[in-house]
Amino acid sequence: GDSVTQMEGPVTLSEEACLTINCTYTATGYPSLFWYVQYPGEGLQLLLKATKADDKGSNKGFEATYRKETTSFHLEKGSVQVSDSAVYFCALSSNTGNQFYFGTGTSLTVIP
Amino acid sequence: DSGVTQTPKHLITATGQRVTLRCSPRSGDLSVYWYQQSLDQGLQFLIQYYNGEERAKGNILERFSAQQFPDLHSELNLSSLELGDSALYFCASSTLPRINEQFFGPGTRLTVL
Repeated sequence: GDSVTQMEGPVTLSEEACLTINCTYTATGYPSLFWYVQYPGEGLQLLLKATKADDKGSNKGFEATYRKETTSFHLEKGSVQVSDSAVYFCALSSNTGNQFYFGTGTSLTVIP
Repeated sequence: DSGVTQTPKHLITATGQRVTLRCSPRSGDLSVYWYQQSLDQGLQFLIQYYNGEERAKGNILERFSAQQFPDLHSELNLSSLELGDSALYFCASSTLPRINEQFFGPGTRLTVL
């Protein structure tokens, strides 16, 4: 069945460092892909999404490109800030639209 | 603020008991989804309702049930509670029946003692 695998954490970076959180997926057909972010004590918020191959989602300096050839949707940011400290979830909406799968989450801590 | 509200924020109860969690979707959203987030199993999709009808089912136990009412709010009922049911329960809503962009509520933290 469909699934999402994302990089294990936790990840600790210094402010202004580059970030990459890997996400790969297994799915039939053409799923939609998402990154959600969960700040401490809050619910999940949509960070960015891509609905077809080669689409690039971007928001708040974060980017991810839907790569069908490598079944990946890696999250990147060129310069992280302390305020980016959160848990990041990669997610997939199945081709049928009837199921939604989340990765296990990657905790990011950015230190000044 | 996503516009999705959940009550209560915290719930503490004992094993064997039954609880009801409530969710109000964003204005205009017809789909409601329930998720369980625990340390050992991560974020798991439980069930989806669209305009009062069950639309999709995930890893929902038989002891759990849900419904969506005519005013579109939803309730998740958890019965015969076990210690392992302690978790954060999130509700999310969206405008479309197909699972796409979802807006999450702040969650209900359930502790079973």
